[in-house]
Amino acid sequence: ILNVEQSPQSLHVQEGDSTNFTCSFPSSNFYALHWYRWETAKSPEALFVMTLNGDEKKKGRISATLNTKEGYSYLYIKGSQPEDSATYLCAFPDYGGSQGNLIFGKGTKLSVKP
Amino acid sequence: NAGVTQTPKFRVLKTGQSMTLLCAQDMNHEYMYWYRQDPGMGLRLIHYSVGEGTTAKGEVPDGYNVSRLKKQNFLLGLESAAPSQTSVYFCASSYGGSRYEQYFGPGTRLTVT
Repeated sequence: ILNVEQSPQSLHVQEGDSTNFTCSFPSSNFYALHWYRWETAKSPEALFVMTLNGDEKKKGRISATLNTKEGYSYLYIKGSQPEDSATYLCAFPDYGGSQGNLIFGKGTKLSVKP
Repeated sequence: NAGVTQTPKFRVLKTGQSMTLLCAQDMNHEYMYWYRQDPGMGLRLIHYSVGEGTTAKGEVPDGYNVSRLKKQNFLLGLESAAPSQTSVYFCASSYGGSRYEQYFGPGTRLTVT
């Protein structure tokens, strides 16, 4: 089973701060990289599915970049708001990707203080 | 559209009892998945299905069985529950393979005493 690492494990910021976290994955046989947002007491919701090296995706104040050659992706949140408090998960396909089964990282838990 | 629904939301079992968790999706997705979520472990794949009538093992399949008799439903069975199966179980579905996002159900909290 391959390893998907996320850092930091947790992050505490003030409202208005910009922040970023990292997902590291195997750089060989890249197929896709997923980011999910998981609020407490809810279920994970997809933010981005990234498939191309150099890809940059944006949704409101959240954006993500991808470097498949070195095996990392960054998630950025600009001007954090309390409602951004959640655990952010990244996931990488197992077995070449065609089956859809994902290996999830343990997540970065973001807390935004008003 | 209801999306992905799970039944039941909560359940308490005694060791050795059996039960079935039901996942249903109304998005006509081909792929469906069962995960468990444990503190400090993240989401781990139990079993998955890439189409009606197919199933495959994930990372942690032992102690579970699954069936996908209808495209919209994916059942997870525990034949003889053990305390180690105390967890929150999430079902998810997707249109296709790993280039498609997964849609998650609300979860089932299972406690085995």
